[in-house]
This record gives sequence, structure tokens and C-alpha cells, in this order.
Amino acid sequence: DTEVTQTPKHLVMGMTNKKSLKCEQHMGHRAMYWYKQKAKKPPELMFVYSYEKLSINESVPSRFSPECPNSSLLNLHLHALQPEDSALYLCASSQVNILAGGSSYNEQFFGPGTRLTVL
Amino acid sequence: AQSVTQPDIHITVSEGASLELRCNYSYGATPYLFWYVQSPGQGLQLLLKYFSGDTLVQGIKGFEAEFKRSQSSFNLRKPSVHWSDAAEYFCAVAGFQKLVFGTGTRLLVSP
Repeated sequence: DTEVTQTPKHLVMGMTNKKSLKCEQHMGHRAMYWYKQKAKKPPELMFVYSYEKLSINESVPSRFSPECPNSSLLNLHLHALQPEDSALYLCASSQVNILAGGSSYNEQFFGPGTRLTVL
Repeated sequence: AQSVTQPDIHITVSEGASLELRCNYSYGATPYLFWYVQSPGQGLQLLLKYFSGDTLVQGIKGFEAEFKRSQSSFNLRKPSVHWSDAAEYFCAVAGFQKLVFGTGTRLLVSP
């Protein structure tokens, strides 16, 4: 299984709602990522989990709360979002290959994304 | 810090014609480079990658890319474009635990 799955495909929510995005992979990858992508822009990294621990938070507002309950699952909890948070949210996973010096050649596998609209 | 430049925002190619998408990177050490493709509203699919070795790498869907260290480039090529190749193409370089993406090039294919 070389797929990363994401649910739901589409989500519409009000600014006072609480919702969650889900991502799952069964490739044995121990690194998982959340990206936000606005139209006609490249993906912007939000969070990185490595061995189920948060290793990178790219200064994301606290209204986005990630969770990695196990090595196959990654959630993104949403609360009190703003209309400007409307975007495609992509999940990815990869092996953890850390080279000397800290760089990593992490080939990432992406899910199809969740299209989020905040009203 | 690593960075990637894709100088062409969009390119239009006739179906059956050859294609070259440009990518320039900035990285102090040996770079690990990728090309991804994204169809509208979809996730990203890896076309090919360069880690080391042969500087001409073959990918899926008939794509290839050539790593040129002297020019800090990793251009993507295809000898004959199909209408289904119309999509957004992203070049990326691996950084510390993350990918650094270029701004993307939108490929339009004319009949």
C-alpha cells in the first residue's frame, strides 16, 4: 500500500465550529507532515511529526492543533478558524533519513488533500 | 538556507512538442532534488528524484531531469508532451526534515 489517504475530501465550516482533518498511511513511514496550499501557490509546511513527536511547528496559529495518535495516523484539529484559512490541506509521509549535518533526503508521499472552506 | 527558483510561472506547449521546465536551486552541500506534479485540486505526485550518481535521472510518465552542479540547475524534460501532462509542476530541494518548494510552473498544452 503506497497511498496516503485523507478525509474528508471537502469541508465547509463556520468560524465557531470545531472540526478535524484525518490522514492515514500504511507504508511504515515514521515522519508525517501537514501542509497548507493556497491557490496557485506551492505547499507551505505547517507541522512535522517524527516518530510520533512534533518536531517542527512553522509558527502556525494555535487554532490549528496537530495530533499524531500512532505511527499511521495524523490529525489536524481546527477551531475558531478565519476565512483566510480556506485552502487545500495536504498530508504527506516519508521515511526518516537523517544525514550528518541534519539534512534529510525525505521523499514525501502526498495525500489528495482536504479542500477547506471557512465561512 | 536552501531555496528553489522556477523562473517560468506558466508555459504553453503544443501537444507532441518537447518540454523543458527550468529549476535552479541554492544549497551549500550536495542537494537532494525532486520534481512533483499536481493536477488541479489534487495532491502532489513524485515524478523523479536526484540523490547522487548519474546526473540524468528518469522518472515516471516519460519525464527526465538533468542535474548540473555548475549551473545549480535541475531542469525537467519530456520529448513529446501529451494533453494529460497539463498540470502544475513543482521543483523541490530537501532541507532539514522538510522540502523547500519552488513557486511552481503551470504547464498548458495546446492541441
